[in-house]
Amino acid sequence: TQLLEQSPQFLSIQEGENLTVYCNSSSVFSSLQWYRQEPGEGPVLLVTVVTGGEVKKLKRLTFQFGDARKDSSLHITAAQPGDTGLYLCAGAGGGSNYKLTFGKGTLLTVNP
Amino acid sequence: DTEVTQTPKHLVMGMTNKKSLKCEQHMGHRAMYWYKQKAKKPPELMFVYSYEKLSINESVPSRFSPECPNSSLLNLHLHALQPEDSALYLCASSQEGMVPYEQYFGPGTRLTVT
Repeated sequence: TQLLEQSPQFLSIQEGENLTVYCNSSSVFSSLQWYRQEPGEGPVLLVTVVTGGEVKKLKRLTFQFGDARKDSSLHITAAQPGDTGLYLCAGAGGGSNYKLTFGKGTLLTVNP
Repeated sequence: DTEVTQTPKHLVMGMTNKKSLKCEQHMGHRAMYWYKQKAKKPPELMFVYSYEKLSINESVPSRFSPECPNSSLLNLHLHALQPEDSALYLCASSQEGMVPYEQYFGPGTRLTVT
């Protein structure tokens, strides 16, 4: 059984601060997806990383996939209240193309 | 267009009712999914359809009955639910045959069982 350990579980910061969310596993994933979910809405796909060592940027968000494809991080620069939400990492692979292994999520609150 | 739509947005039903949740996508995806999500928890996979055939059933109780009438539509029929079935039900879709299988989620149906 593949597991993704996501940390921190909760994060409350002030507008303008930087933060990093981590997802770690002892298993190798073929790809890893990051989602943001706002209350009462479905998760929105932010990015998919596929290659070990890959770095992708989406405005103030930087995503990294570990060289061994076992871990990933999301870094947000100068956080804004609009970044508030539940961030989920989800790993694909492990024998099924359909099953994602989700981390437990990071609930981020950015205070004005 | 990466949109998955779900209806209704909210649903309140009694334990003796029968209701259905609907999902639609027009991205040409041939894999469709139902997930259940409790508050502040990650989604839990329930069912997967591939090319309109049920591919995965994650040991879901029979009071949940999925249906895939065509490649764009996915239904979840509900009957004799329990209060603990109250949750956000999410539909998702992905392309077949293209790694990675990126899943696109709908906005969800908030279900309350009374």
